[in-house]
Amino acid sequence: SYELTQPLSVSVALGQTARITCGGNKIGSYNVHWYQQKPGQAPVLVIYRDTNRPSGIPERFSGSNSKNTATLTISRAQAGDEADYFCQVWDSSTAYVVFGGGTKLTVL
Amino acid sequence: EVQLVESGGGLVQPGGSLRLSCAASGFTFSSYEMNWVRQAPGKGLEWVSYISRSGSTIYYADSVKGRFTISRDNAKNSLYLQMNSLRAEDTAVYHCARDRDGYNEYWGQGTLVTVSS
Repeated sequence: SYELTQPLSVSVALGQTARITCGGNKIGSYNVHWYQQKPGQAPVLVIYRDTNRPSGIPERFSGSNSKNTATLTISRAQAGDEADYFCQVWDSSTAYVVFGGGTKLTVL
Repeated sequence: EVQLVESGGGLVQPGGSLRLSCAASGFTFSSYEMNWVRQAPGKGLEWVSYISRSGSTIYYADSVKGRFTISRDNAKNSLYLQMNSLRAEDTAVYHCARDRDGYNEYWGQGTLVTVSS
């Protein structure tokens, strides 16, 4: 089955840029989606199809995807961005929704 | 406003059954595919099951195949998950989510299922 690998944690200084990676074999050929989840809350979609932001998501959130790594970039990080972030793909070959293990973002 | 509200969770013994419901409002339910996604305490997200708009196409994660059944009633704007032969490892918060082209656009707050004797 397809696997997605994320770092367990990422730290970023307030106001700086955070990058959260999601690794997978030829992930560049998949559509990658990203979710933000704060404690006790439901996940929220922040990026869909690699680079697209849903309405209401700040422009500080952006995504990229190439070869074996997809990346969620959070510019000018704020304290309110502290959360768990999950990447996700749909593997059509196996009809499986696959999530990465999640990355805890800490804003210092 | 899109709303998804899950119900039906609770404490159940191993081997027992539970039926979860998800009430949808704020959109045309029959026009969207739906998913169940769960999250064990302190763990990540795990996809459980998918159902197409008409209910004619259904997929399951290997971990629940043969034990769980997803269904929907478009007339009642409701999604269901029948869970049988429950195990301790099924303990989790279960979220329903509206699917759009392979991503989960909206999520419910979830309902907690605890499998324990």
